[in-house]
Amino acid sequence: GAGVSQSPSNKVTEKGKDVELRCDPISGHTALYWYRQSLGQGLEFLIYFQGNSAPDKSGLPSDRFSAERTGGSVSTLTIQRTQQEDSAVYLCASSFGTWETQYFGPGTRLLVL
Amino acid sequence: GIQVEQSPPDLILQEGANSTLRCNFSDSVNNLQWFHQNPWGQLINLFYIPSGTKQNGRLSATTVATERYSLLYISSSQTTDSGVYFCAVDWSGGKLIFGQGTELSVKP
Repeated sequence: GAGVSQSPSNKVTEKGKDVELRCDPISGHTALYWYRQSLGQGLEFLIYFQGNSAPDKSGLPSDRFSAERTGGSVSTLTIQRTQQEDSAVYLCASSFGTWETQYFGPGTRLLVL
Repeated sequence: GIQVEQSPPDLILQEGANSTLRCNFSDSVNNLQWFHQNPWGQLINLFYIPSGTKQNGRLSATTVATERYSLLYISSSQTTDSGVYFCAVDWSGGKLIFGQGTELSVKP
């Protein structure tokens, strides 16, 4: 079946603008995760959903970052008032359940000018 | 929090050579995964291996949970094996903590 998909694949925005990143998990996967990959910080966890609730938001770097998941499926990561340090690849993963194998999407490359 | 260290940071091999990548972690974990990130940035699952040994073709992995390390073996390397190999551990409730990766380059 289809893997995890993310859109857009690339996004260029100006500092101060808001952006929305979308993730479509593998059908039937109840757990969904957002990670960020940047040159200086490596791969870091942002937030995790089980169903529509987010038991762990500990990785969100500031209150400019938020995420939601609806219908136990699609998730949106929103970054408000983007800053240059937000430039990174944002990766989404899903798994059948917690502590199961995580499968990653291709990522969204965000560049904030 | 838990620390995940990978070694070596970089590795250059001639095609056909074998290699061993290591992942050390500082605390007990629920899960450990190995990934290959290809040159296009896609993270590809290699193994889900909280303990024991698994093999998939030319690749195999062993995790010794009691001693807090995991090894990834690549045999008869090919140029398509090039990329970055990540070890990631699930320490608490599903979130993965990644090591810094081993960048592998296989020369023809």
